Amino acid sequence: DTAVSQTPKYLVTQMGNDKSIKCEQNLGHDTMYWYKQDSKKFLKIMFSYNNKELIINETVPNRFSPKSPDKAHLNLHINSLELGDSAVYFCASSFGQNSYEQYFGPGTRLTVT
Amino acid sequence: AQSVAQPEDQVNVAEGNPLTVKCTYSVSGNPYLFWYVQYPNRGLQFLLKYITGDNLVKGSYGFEAEFNKSQTSFHLKKPSALVSDSALYFCAVAGTYKYIFGTGTRLKVLA
Repeated sequence: DTAVSQTPKYLVTQMGNDKSIKCEQNLGHDTMYWYKQDSKKFLKIMFSYNNKELIINETVPNRFSPKSPDKAHLNLHINSLELGDSAVYFCASSFGQNSYEQYFGPGTRLTVT
Repeated sequence: AQSVAQPEDQVNVAEGNPLTVKCTYSVSGNPYLFWYVQYPNRGLQFLLKYITGDNLVKGSYGFEAEFNKSQTSFHLKKPSALVSDSALYFCAVAGTYKYIFGTGTRLKVLA
């Protein structure tokens, strides 16, 4: 069983479109995250949710709207896509205390043309 | 503010030789430090962590890391490198509900 899964794996779309990425974890974790990895492989936190509540929003444009319907799911909706949104987006989960390691999904490669 | 630095973009090592991937950190208080590995087109995989206790931490795939408080370092090591260790390695420090990652070090093990 996949611990943290993301769909889709690849997403190619045009500027101005709206798209969503879904994430699910079956590890029983209470905290989930979205990260963006750019073309230089830099990894930056975007959002974190604990027990379905938004905890961290790292100055992400409000075109990005995460939603956590329950503790096992964290989806990311992106409006009005821009060229600069092209990146790999990773979902991750962990227990909330910061002594616990994170488990990452396989990533969603978003290409905006 | 918490941060980690990985001073080397790339490390090359011959197969069978020991390897070291460097990481330094800056935190207030006691650090929680992690190493992750990323293979091409994959998500990050956890290797090991330092929370408290012994300064030498052992992890997956024969990797270990040494926590050095005086030098604020947490270098990743392996006694004998394998070609299959070639990947991108990230050091991270845990904050409150977030993890701050270093810029990554590409390890290339040459046969």
